[in-house]
Amino acid sequence: DAGVIQSPRHEVTEMGQEVTLRCKPISGHDYLFWYRQTMMRGLELLIYFNNNVPIDDSGMPEDRFSAKMPNASFSTLKIQPSEPRDSAVYFCASSDPGQGNYGYTFGSGTRLTVV
Amino acid sequence: SQQGEEDPQALSIQEGENATMNCSYKTSINNLQWYRQNSGRGLVHLILIRSNEREKHSGRLRVTLDTSKKSSSLLITASRAADTASYFCATVLQGAQKLVFGQGTRLTINP
Repeated sequence: DAGVIQSPRHEVTEMGQEVTLRCKPISGHDYLFWYRQTMMRGLELLIYFNNNVPIDDSGMPEDRFSAKMPNASFSTLKIQPSEPRDSAVYFCASSDPGQGNYGYTFGSGTRLTVV
Repeated sequence: SQQGEEDPQALSIQEGENATMNCSYKTSINNLQWYRQNSGRGLVHLILIRSNEREKHSGRLRVTLDTSKKSSSLLITASRAADTASYFCATVLQGAQKLVFGQGTRLTINP
């Protein structure tokens, strides 16, 4: 398996623009997580899905953020409109606890810079 | 808010020495996990210890868990330059599936 695949690796955008981050989880993993990492706040869980259904979105900062998982192999995190304080590294991770594999597999992340 | 807090925040040792990192958490957990993050990369799962376990080994890694003190430690023996990274503890709360991460320990191994 190629692991969790995120795209793009880097994104630079202007304030006010829409940004879409993409994630392909490991095949067979039924949990998908979106995290954000900054120096100030560390790793924050934004939202997670189980079998494509959002379970907990309490970490989503505000209405400018939305996430979808239209099928088991694809998820998006959208920021509209983007602001400079959204600059961070965004990670996607997946897991398969039903098989006793409780560890998460992380993607390489998307480094977002909003100028 | 962070569930886990690592100590120390930064650790610098000589190659070959052992490195010990500690983690404390606040609420009852299902399991506790340790991850490594190399600069600019994603996190890599190292080891998981369940709430009913007290110690676990994996290669040069040794993890302990004391649920009465709500604390865990990660020991890396015979450290190598390639062990230079940030190490995070993360907890899965009872009744939940999500991982909550601490702030991490930056480990530097000097050749």
